[in-house]
Amino acid sequence: GAVVSQHPSWVICKSGTSVKIECRSLDFQATTMFWYRQFPKQSLMLMATSNEGSKATYEQGVEKDKFLINHASLTLSTLTVTSAHPEDSSFYICSATGGVGNTIYFGEGSWLTVV
Amino acid sequence: GESVGLHLPTLSVQEGDNSIINCAYSNSASDYFIWYKQESGKGPQFIIDIRSNMDKRQGQRVTVLLNKTVKHLSLQIAATQPGDSAVYFCAEMKGYGNKLVFGAGTILRVKS
Repeated sequence: GAVVSQHPSWVICKSGTSVKIECRSLDFQATTMFWYRQFPKQSLMLMATSNEGSKATYEQGVEKDKFLINHASLTLSTLTVTSAHPEDSSFYICSATGGVGNTIYFGEGSWLTVV
Repeated sequence: GESVGLHLPTLSVQEGDNSIINCAYSNSASDYFIWYKQESGKGPQFIIDIRSNMDKRQGQRVTVLLNKTVKHLSLQIAATQPGDSAVYFCAEMKGYGNKLVFGAGTILRVKS
């Protein structure tokens, strides 16, 4: 079946630096990708919707200049956390749709720890 | 952002018993609903879905019930097993291919 892959699975970065997380659809063309953030013991919070070739649509309260989303191809979307701070430490999950039946597929998530 | 959860409630069941996990969804215009299972440190795993033109759908050992009048979803797991221990989320969508919004989630603990 279709697979969505995220990289890296986990990353540790220093406060003030930027870190990029990739989300790839491996065997289908993802016209739309979604980015979620999940804090421990909480639900998934939608951050933004990313359509290939256009600007991402951010949810209310999510800073677009801090969380840069690029969806330059039908198989890749990237989330860049700029000037990361310890409070940005979280589990970031992407999902993609666009395959057969517009099924939604989730990646395995990326743990970000900012120290 | 949407659907920010507080601390998750926990449902503890004995192995072999049936489990019922409930979810209240927020948007009366939502027309597609999905239950996900999430194990620690992993992404959500699809369990079963239902469209708003149905009120019940059955899968293997799982049943989803939809009550649109009170905006309520439930997931029933028959003969619960230790491997069912995880966090369960309902999610709603309005329109096909649109954003999926997650509910608060429930921790299911299965006691052997």
